[in-house]
Amino acid sequence: AQSVTQPDIHITVSEGASLELRCNYSYGATPYLFWYVQSPGQGLQLLLKYFSGDTLVQGIKGFEAEFKRSQSSFNLRKPSVHWSDAAEYFCAVGARAGGSYIPTFGRGTSLIVHP
Amino acid sequence: NAGVTQTPKFRVLKTGQSMTLLCAQDMNHEYMYWYRQDPGMGLRLIHYSVGEGTTAKGEVPDGYNVSRLKKQNFLLGLESAAPSQTSVYFCASRGTSTDTQYFGPGTRLTVL
Repeated sequence: AQSVTQPDIHITVSEGASLELRCNYSYGATPYLFWYVQSPGQGLQLLLKYFSGDTLVQGIKGFEAEFKRSQSSFNLRKPSVHWSDAAEYFCAVGARAGGSYIPTFGRGTSLIVHP
Repeated sequence: NAGVTQTPKFRVLKTGQSMTLLCAQDMNHEYMYWYRQDPGMGLRLIHYSVGEGTTAKGEVPDGYNVSRLKKQNFLLGLESAAPSQTSVYFCASRGTSTDTQYFGPGTRLTVL
């Protein structure tokens, strides 16, 4: 069974600083990987996803993530954080099951942005 | 285009009461999912459906039942609510041509 670890419960950065959120996964085959963002009181919005091909994936809102198979990681990065990026971030790994798609989510990392 | 909607947004139940949460999507998606979100636990899959008339168990199915009588609707039922079911419930849907899940805004349920 697949699993996802987000080692950081909270991350605090200053506005304008760079950001890296860590995600490690465990899965026997090539994984499908996702990053979602959740603003307070809202549902989840997809930031980016990796299925195959280029290991550096570009997403919305200026985010990117790099798939590193040797490290079983899929870290999320942003070069310059904006105050509006303060939110909860979830990494997810996906496994196909009989044609359906079953994702497993990490516990989330809460991003705090200081002005 | 409303996307994924959930009804109700908030609900308070007493232990032992029953209720049904409704998820509706207007994107003609085949797949639908019910998750619960608890502090520090991320999202955990309760049940899912790969098409009209089909349902399957997820990671934490106990205490819940689901039905998918119409393609656009996915119902989550609690027959006898327990305080451990206090949570925020999210519905999601996905089409066959995409691996992107679209989430609803959530239902906050409190069981006293």
